[in-house]
Amino acid sequence: SQKIEQNSEALNIQEGKTATLTCNYTNYSPAYLQWYRQDPGRGPVFLLLIRENEKEKRKERLKVTFDTTLKQSLFHITASQPADSATYLCALGSRFGNEKLTFGTGTRLTIIP
Amino acid sequence: EAGVAQSPRYKIIEKRQSVAFWCNPISGHATLYWYQQILGQGPKLLIQFQNNGVVDDSQLPKDRFSAERLKGVDSTLKIQPAKLEDSAVYLCASSSLTGTASYEQYFGPGTRLTVT
Repeated sequence: SQKIEQNSEALNIQEGKTATLTCNYTNYSPAYLQWYRQDPGRGPVFLLLIRENEKEKRKERLKVTFDTTLKQSLFHITASQPADSATYLCALGSRFGNEKLTFGTGTRLTIIP
Repeated sequence: EAGVAQSPRYKIIEKRQSVAFWCNPISGHATLYWYQQILGQGPKLLIQFQNNGVVDDSQLPKDRFSAERLKGVDSTLKIQPAKLEDSAVYLCASSSLTGTASYEQYFGPGTRLTVT
């Protein structure tokens, strides 16, 4: 059966360090993968998209990698700040052209000052 | 630009009652989604509309859930009758198909439903 796993439910990182979140999937062949941020009581907010033919994408302090052989994406936040504390969701995009997303369960990241 | 609007923000009902949620997407967005997010889980797609047609409703419990998008703009999601396991946040999202789009979905704040 299809499964999307995000490394852990919760991750605590010291301020200034790099936070690395993992998204692993099985029995999927996504055309692209997205990362979203969700704060308590709010809807997810889009951060980055990476397509199946791309290895790495960067946006400011964020970096995403996508390895279709390992069926894994890594999401990095460098120079982490307490304001980066939130739940981060990975979402796999359908290759059937209908924009359907399947979300992982999320990782709750806390940056400790 | 105004974001995705949802109402109500909170709703408490008893099991077997009915409830309806409303969503107004970002102006001009052709695609509208309803997701269910149970506490501690990621959003699960219930139904996807393209304009006023249904693209995907494979995970919608059709015996109790229904949704419509009249005139291809606003949408309502209804649950009748509600069960305890329907307690969740119901998120509405919209997106715009614009050629080489990022497929970014814009989410509303959600409606938190508690069924007692």
